[in-house]
Amino acid sequence: GAGVSQSPRYKVAKRGQDVALRCDPISGHVSLFWYQQALGQGPEFLTYFQNEAQLDKSGLPSDRFFAERPEGSVSTLKIQRTQQEDSAVYLCASSSRRVGTRGDGYTFGSGTRLTVV
Amino acid sequence: KNEVEQSPQNLTAQEGEFITINCSYSVGISALHWLQQHPGGGIVSLFMLSSGKKKHGRLIATINIQEKHSSLHITASHPRDSAVYICAVWERDYGGSQGNLIFGKGTKLSVKP
Repeated sequence: GAGVSQSPRYKVAKRGQDVALRCDPISGHVSLFWYQQALGQGPEFLTYFQNEAQLDKSGLPSDRFFAERPEGSVSTLKIQRTQQEDSAVYLCASSSRRVGTRGDGYTFGSGTRLTVV
Repeated sequence: KNEVEQSPQNLTAQEGEFITINCSYSVGISALHWLQQHPGGGIVSLFMLSSGKKKHGRLIATINIQEKHSSLHITASHPRDSAVYICAVWERDYGGSQGNLIFGKGTKLSVKP
């Protein structure tokens, strides 16, 4: 596709509910990143994929958070038993370059705004 | 510890004013991004630079590697420039596997007509 597509754009979940957030990166992009952005803050790293391999998940805040990219394209971020503190915008970004090469422009999705009530 | 600091946090300007947003960082970097985020949440990359100056339309970005400082300037500001502007740096010599793009908290710009 022309850009990084995220769905849904908005999600309201009741506390304790499981949610799944989807990211469609630009076709052929090797690297895919998930970020969490709390209100009034900059994005914080959650996890990184190179193709289908999840090379870094050190930013995931708890074991309720799980991400996958089984075929190296679409990625899903799953949050189990959502809590109010999970309310944030979840951003996905992709890049044609592997991490470790010279930094290149990321392409960001529009984000999914999750509100846990 | 904030490795990327932006100032000001909030900025209100009148249409037509010249605007400057500053970014200071404490790590060695290979590149710095200026990003624009509109209220809907989507982020657009404005510039990526590692030295000198770049210009695109009414936007100018400069970086001083020695001083670890970058500025984003908007000339002849317009209400449609209202957004959050985020500085993010790509940490140099990072040994981990993640992208390590470190974000500032953003500067919220509001341009009044």
